[in-house]
Amino acid sequence: GDSVTQMEGPVTLSEEAFLTINCTYTATGYPSLFWYVQYPGEGLQLLLKATKADDKGSNKGFEATYRKETTSFHLEKGSVQVSDSAVYFCALCYSGGSNYKLTFGKGTLLTVNP
Amino acid sequence: NAGVTQTPKFRILKIGQSMTLQCTQDMNHNYMYWYRQDPGMGLKLIYYSVGAGITDKGEVPNGYNVSRSTTEDFPLRLELAAPSQTSVYFCASSYRRGGNTEAFFGQGTRLTVV
Repeated sequence: GDSVTQMEGPVTLSEEAFLTINCTYTATGYPSLFWYVQYPGEGLQLLLKATKADDKGSNKGFEATYRKETTSFHLEKGSVQVSDSAVYFCALCYSGGSNYKLTFGKGTLLTVNP
Repeated sequence: NAGVTQTPKFRILKIGQSMTLQCTQDMNHNYMYWYRQDPGMGLKLIYYSVGAGITDKGEVPNGYNVSRSTTEDFPLRLELAAPSQTSVYFCASSYRRGGNTEAFFGQGTRLTVV
């Protein structure tokens, strides 16, 4: 079945450091790929997405590129802020037939220190 | 916009008790989902629905039941609470336009079974 593997956390960085969170996937066909973010005490919210190979999703300084050849969707940010501290989830959606389900990775906790 | 609303936010249950977690959305989304989130395990899909009157099992349905009598509401029922059901529960809804989509999450219900 479909699955998402993301790097184990926690990740601790200083403010203005470069961030990479790795995500790889296995899926039949060509899924859409997502990064969701969960701030403390809140539900998940969409950070960015890409729907086909070589698409780059971007939002709030975060970027991720859909790489079909390496089945990857790594999240990057050039300069993190304390406010970026959260749990980040990589996810895929493969719509088989009439169903539509999101499959999530286990999440990566990011802590950014001032 | 209210989005996805879950109630209650917190609940403590005794073993063997039952309860219903409420979820309602005001975005006219066809797809709705229940996930549970356990530390270090990401999100696991419990049940989902592709429209009113249609529900199906996800990865971890045992011990839960759902119904979908309206587009807006998707309650999750625990009949005989067990300590293994201690978790944070998230309801989500989504739309689909072509190959693109986004899921919207509620703020979660933190359930403790003692």
